[in-house]
Amino acid sequence: EPEVTQTPSHQVTQMGQEVILRCVPISNHLYFYWYRQILGQKVEFLVSFYNNEISEKSEIFDDQFSVERPDGSNFTLKIRSTKLEDSAMYFCASNYWAEAFFGQGTRLTVV
Amino acid sequence: AQSVTQLDSHVSVSEGTPVLLRCNYSSSYSPSLFWYVQHPNKGLQLLLKYTSAATLVKGINGFEAEFKKSETSFHLTKPSAHMSDAAEYFCVVSQSDSGAGSYQLTFGKGTKLSVIP
Repeated sequence: EPEVTQTPSHQVTQMGQEVILRCVPISNHLYFYWYRQILGQKVEFLVSFYNNEISEKSEIFDDQFSVERPDGSNFTLKIRSTKLEDSAMYFCASNYWAEAFFGQGTRLTVV
Repeated sequence: AQSVTQLDSHVSVSEGTPVLLRCNYSSSYSPSLFWYVQHPNKGLQLLLKYTSAATLVKGINGFEAEFKKSETSFHLTKPSAHMSDAAEYFCVVSQSDSGAGSYQLTFGKGTKLSVIP
């Protein structure tokens, strides 16, 4: 069964460093998303991406964040200068219709 | 705008007894509704979905949910809880304002289910 894959599963980074979280969506899907879940809190929408551009973003998705689909298969989330409060589980998702399929998540720890 | 309210942040049941996790939603258009489960340190797994077909939806692991438009509810039930059901459960509404295109998912805050042996 096709699935969304995310790498790495866990990343530790120092405050102020740049990180790139990687996702491979399901191949025939057209819409891609990033969500984040801070420990103990709800899952929050960050950004959606369609046709090589951002279709919607939340107020969390500020200038420190960017997304890219560099090669037609990967979908990346870059955090330019990480802060302690960026520590969270980041989920990638993709969909063709209403149901989204989620990756297993990348746990980002900023120290 | 759409929103999801999960009425209980924590539900505790004894093994073998019924489970009820409550979810109410608001949506401008006909929504699709989902329940996802997240086991500790794991990703999100789809339990079941409602996409405007039958209002009683059966999912994996014996879970069911009934879409009640008049009550704007989509409560999750299971007749008999198992220890392996202990997890966090999220009710999610999906809607595309444009009718086709990017579907933004809105998550409830989650309900933690504990199962007592």
